[in-house]
Amino acid sequence: QKEVEQDPGPLSVPEGAIVSLNCTYSNSAFQYFMWYRQYSRKGPELLMYTYSSGNKEDGRFTAQVDKSSKYISLFIRDSQPSDSATYLCARTAGGGNKLTFGTGTQLKVEL
Amino acid sequence: DAGVTQSPTHLIKTRGQQVTLRCSPKSGHDTVSWYQQALGQGPQFIFQYYEEEERQRGNFPDRFSGHQFPNYSSELNVNALLLGDSALYLCASSSQNTEAFFGQGTRLTVV
Repeated sequence: QKEVEQDPGPLSVPEGAIVSLNCTYSNSAFQYFMWYRQYSRKGPELLMYTYSSGNKEDGRFTAQVDKSSKYISLFIRDSQPSDSATYLCARTAGGGNKLTFGTGTQLKVEL
Repeated sequence: DAGVTQSPTHLIKTRGQQVTLRCSPKSGHDTVSWYQQALGQGPQFIFQYYEEEERQRGNFPDRFSGHQFPNYSSELNVNALLLGDSALYLCASSSQNTEAFFGQGTRLTVV
């Protein structure tokens, strides 16, 4: 079993839709969770960073962590074509420790 | 702030050759991590350098080695290149208790 599981997609939605991206993880020792966005042929860009259960909002983005079910989600409201990218979830033990990534979900937002 | 910079951006090598990739961390960061990202996969942790020493290592063979310099910049060396080493190599920098920021990556093609 992979430490972080993520549906690779691709996921295609119309502009303005609410997007839900999900990951599950297997090791409950890790307390920090991130979402990265990666455009084609670019490095990952940090979107959201959270270290507790519950929701964290930043503009159109909401990260949700459910430690009891080992489930992490990213919601994108009012999706735009510029949101088309691969979204990577990651977890770490914190304090500059290594990141363990999922495979990434490819998202396409169509006009 | 130039962020994390990597060089070169692309290169092509022949099987059996050796390659050196370079990374300059974001200003104020003292920790450098290297990741390998194969096509369609999430980044895989190779190793991390802090205070010029390898602090953590992922599941990569000894053909992968690195170095960190007093100015915190880092190099990744890969010996005896295999076709399977073709990937995007990502450098990430961080400091204690901060999230990791990634460079744009070096795309290595082994032919």
